[in-house]
Amino acid sequence: AAGVIQSPRHLIKEKRETATLKCYPIPRHDTVYWYQQGPGQDPQFLISFYEKMQSDKGSIPDRFSAQQFSDYHSELNMSSLELGDSALYFCASSPWDGANYGYTFGSGTRLTVV
Amino acid sequence: QQQVKQSPQSLIVQKGGISIINCAYENTAFDYFPWYQQFPGKGPALLIAIRPDVSEKKEGRFTISFNKSAKQFSLHIMDSQPGDSATYFCAASIGGASGSRLTFGEGTQLTVNP
Repeated sequence: AAGVIQSPRHLIKEKRETATLKCYPIPRHDTVYWYQQGPGQDPQFLISFYEKMQSDKGSIPDRFSAQQFSDYHSELNMSSLELGDSALYFCASSPWDGANYGYTFGSGTRLTVV
Repeated sequence: QQQVKQSPQSLIVQKGGISIINCAYENTAFDYFPWYQQFPGKGPALLIAIRPDVSEKKEGRFTISFNKSAKQFSLHIMDSQPGDSATYFCAASIGGASGSRLTFGEGTQLTVNP
C-alpha cells in the first residue's frame, strides 16, 4: 500500500540558511499535517491543509511557511534557520472525512542545523 | 502546559508480561483518543484508537481502557514481545479521527526483555 512520502530523509543546513521539506500524501488523501519532533520529545503540531487551504495552525514560527499544491503534495519552507530548529519533521495525511481512519505519518525528515 | 499527560516515562517488562501505559487529559472537548507506536527514525504508526462513548476496545494484543469521568485512558499490551520495544504515544483530538490536530502525550519508552 502507498504510504506518505517525505523528502529528503536527512538534511544538514547552516544557521541562517533556508530549507524546503516536501510531503507526498497517500493518494486520495486531501488533508496534510506537519509536525515537529525534537529529540526525546512528543510531536508538536505545526500546520495543516485541506484542499490546498490552511485548515489549522499550531506552534509554527513566523520564519516557517507551508502550502499545499494542486496535486495535494505539500512543502514546508523554513528560513533563517536556527540551531533549535534541528528536529524530525513529520508529515501526515488523511481523508478530511475519515471518521474511523485517522492519520498516516511519513518516515520524517531529519533536519540538522549546524 | 501539557494537555495530555502520559506515564510512565519508561517501562521495562519481561517477555510475555503485560505492559500498561496511562494517559490523562484535561480538555473535555477531546473526542478521539489514538495510541501511536514509534520506532527510532520512523514516523508514529497508529495502533488503536477509541472514542469517549466506549469504555474499552480490543484489537489483538492491544486494549484501550477509557474512563470518561476520570478523564483517563490507558493502553494494555498483553503477552508483550521484544518486537514491541518502541516509544508509545497517547494522543487526543477534537473533531474526530481526521481533519484535526493531534495533541500528544510525552511518550513512554517500552523495553521488553527476552
